[in-house]
Amino acid sequence: EAGVVQSPRYKIIEKKQPVAFWCNPISGHNTLYWYLQNLGQGPELLIRYENEEAVDDSQLPKDRFSAERLKGVDSTLKIQPAELGDSAVYLCASSLETAERKETQYFGPGTRLLVL
Amino acid sequence: SQQGEEDPQALSIQEGENATMNCSYKTSINNLQWYRQNSGRGLVHLILIRSNEREKHSGRLRVTLDTSKKSSSLLITASRAADTASYFCATSTSGTYKYIFGTGTRLKVLA
Repeated sequence: EAGVVQSPRYKIIEKKQPVAFWCNPISGHNTLYWYLQNLGQGPELLIRYENEEAVDDSQLPKDRFSAERLKGVDSTLKIQPAELGDSAVYLCASSLETAERKETQYFGPGTRLLVL
Repeated sequence: SQQGEEDPQALSIQEGENATMNCSYKTSINNLQWYRQNSGRGLVHLILIRSNEREKHSGRLRVTLDTSKKSSSLLITASRAADTASYFCATSTSGTYKYIFGTGTRLKVLA
C-alpha cells in the first residue's frame, strides 16, 4: 500500500513569491492534516479536513495561507506571499476516522521550504 | 501551543542499553501516540495507546500510560544504532479531533 505522497520534497524561493505544496493521502483515508514543523520542534497543526470540509483551520494564518481538498482526496497548501519566517518543513498526514474512533495518522515525507 | 512535553530533551546511550523517554500532557485525552522521526524524514507511527489502556507492547517497544499523572513513557529495549532519531508523543484531546505534538526527545544510540 502506498503511503502519503508529498511534492515537492524541497523548495527554495525568494520572499514575497508564492509557493504551493501537494499531498496525496493514503487511499480510503477520509481525514487529512497539514502540519508545520520548525527545526527542533514538534509538528503544529495548520488545518484538518474531514473529506472535503475544513473542520479545523484555527491555526492557519489566513492572510497568506490557503488550502483546499477538492473531491476529498488530494490537497494543496499555498502560501502567498511567502515570508522568511515560513521556512520550515510542511507535513501532510492522513487517517481513517469515525465518530467513534480516532485512528493512527500516517505522515508523508514532508516538503522542506526555504525562503530567501 | 504544544501540550506534550517530552523528557529528556536529549538522550545518548550505548547500543544494547534500554532507552526510556517520558511525555507529560495537560488535559484529558482520548489516546496518545508515539512517533519516530529520522533526520530530514517524515514521522513514522510507532504505537497508539488509548485512554482506557495502561500498557502496550510492540516488538522492542513498551508504552505505558498513567492518566492520573497525565504522563506516558516509551521504553526501547536493546537499543540499536538505527534507533537514533527524534521521538515525539502526540495527544488527542477529549472532545476534539486535534492531535498536539510534544517537543520531542532526541535519542542517539552509539555503536
